[in-house]
Amino acid sequence: KQEVTQIPAALSVPEGENLVLNCSFTDSAIYNLQWFRQDPGKGLTSLLLIQSSQREQTSGRLNASLDKSSGRSTLYIAASQPGDSATYLCAVRPVSGTYKYIFGTGTRLKVLA
Amino acid sequence: DGGITQSPKYLFRKEGQNVTLSCEQNLNHDAMYWYRQDPGQGLRLIYYSQIVNDFQKGDIAEGYSVSREKKESFPLTVTSAQKNPTAFYLCATLGTVNYGYTFGSGTRLTVV
Repeated sequence: KQEVTQIPAALSVPEGENLVLNCSFTDSAIYNLQWFRQDPGKGLTSLLLIQSSQREQTSGRLNASLDKSSGRSTLYIAASQPGDSATYLCAVRPVSGTYKYIFGTGTRLKVLA
Repeated sequence: DGGITQSPKYLFRKEGQNVTLSCEQNLNHDAMYWYRQDPGQGLRLIYYSQIVNDFQKGDIAEGYSVSREKKESFPLTVTSAQKNPTAFYLCATLGTVNYGYTFGSGTRLTVV
């Protein structure tokens, strides 16, 4: 059964710092992996989607990498800003004949001004 | 512009009452999903539908019901059989190009 883990559960960093959020999954048979951002009381906003054949995706200050063989993905945030404060979730879509994503429990990020 | 609309934003339910949460999309996506989110827990799948007039139970379907009569709409009913319905409910669709999720803005349900 696919399980997705995100460590740490919470992280505080000073403004301007580069940071890495981690996501690990137990079964490498995935179609893709998606990173989301969630602000308090809001829905999830998609940040980056990496297909299984890709190694990384970039959008602005965000870069996500995928290493299927080791079951890991990282989300790199460059030059963090207070506006980056949110919960970041990763989700994988298994190659299991269904259309369901499996979510991690998220990393709550606080960027201090 | 295209997106997912969930309504209402806040909903209050009395004990023993059924309530229905609305999810409407204009993205022309076939697959739609309902998730429940509780503090400190990940998203848990309630029901999903891959096509009109068809839906499947997720991991925590007990006490919930859905219908999928139109491609655009996937309403969720929280019945009185759901003993702990207070939570944040999220609706999502699955894209048909890159197969990524798109989420609505959520409905917060509280039992009073």
